[in-house]
Amino acid sequence: KAGVTQTPRYLIKTRGQQVTLSCSPISGHRSVSWYQQTPGQGLQFLFEYFSETQRNKGNFPGRFSGRQFSNSRSEMNVSTLELGDSALYLCASSPEAQLNEKLFFGSGTQLSVL
Amino acid sequence: AQSVTQLGSHVSVSEGALVLLRCNYSSSVPPYLFWYVQYPNQGLQLLLKYTSAATLVKGINGFEAEFKKSETSFHLTKPSAHMSDAAEYFCAVTFSSGNTPLVFGKGTRLSVIA
Repeated sequence: KAGVTQTPRYLIKTRGQQVTLSCSPISGHRSVSWYQQTPGQGLQFLFEYFSETQRNKGNFPGRFSGRQFSNSRSEMNVSTLELGDSALYLCASSPEAQLNEKLFFGSGTQLSVL
Repeated sequence: AQSVTQLGSHVSVSEGALVLLRCNYSSSVPPYLFWYVQYPNQGLQLLLKYTSAATLVKGINGFEAEFKKSETSFHLTKPSAHMSDAAEYFCAVTFSSGNTPLVFGKGTRLSVIA
């Protein structure tokens, strides 16, 4: 079974641009969560989708948005990029309806904002 | 609100020595507790989890953790460190019911010296 796939692996953008990151969960997983990882703040929860509905949302500004498609693939979008958005963005999928049972993480997308 | 505190951002041990990574949690309701490991350039992988069954939890790669309610702790241990254990370790907490996202600690980097 293929793991969680995130594309692209690396991304370089400039301030003010927007970016879209993609996540393909493990086959059969319907829950997809997104986390932002930075050296100073650690892992911070962005949002979680289950069956195309946003079920949970973290404390991030509206510039951060996401969606989930009918095949469970998910995208997150960051508009008007700021230097502080530079981070590793991790996607995780879960096989259970209960989010906290088990998370399978992708390798992440490393975003650098110049 | 839930939170976890990992004591020590960096721990260094000799190969063959005991590994002890500390995690204290704060939760107003019975928690679920997790330890995840992150190897360089990879996503997080679940080591073990506590979900209100046995207080001593055994995980993969010889790691185990003990839930101590009186001390609000969930420390991770391994009797004998191996070079391959060098990685970053994250403790996480969530509520024991519902679909509340995981709250992660800031991580502890483990170095193993030959």
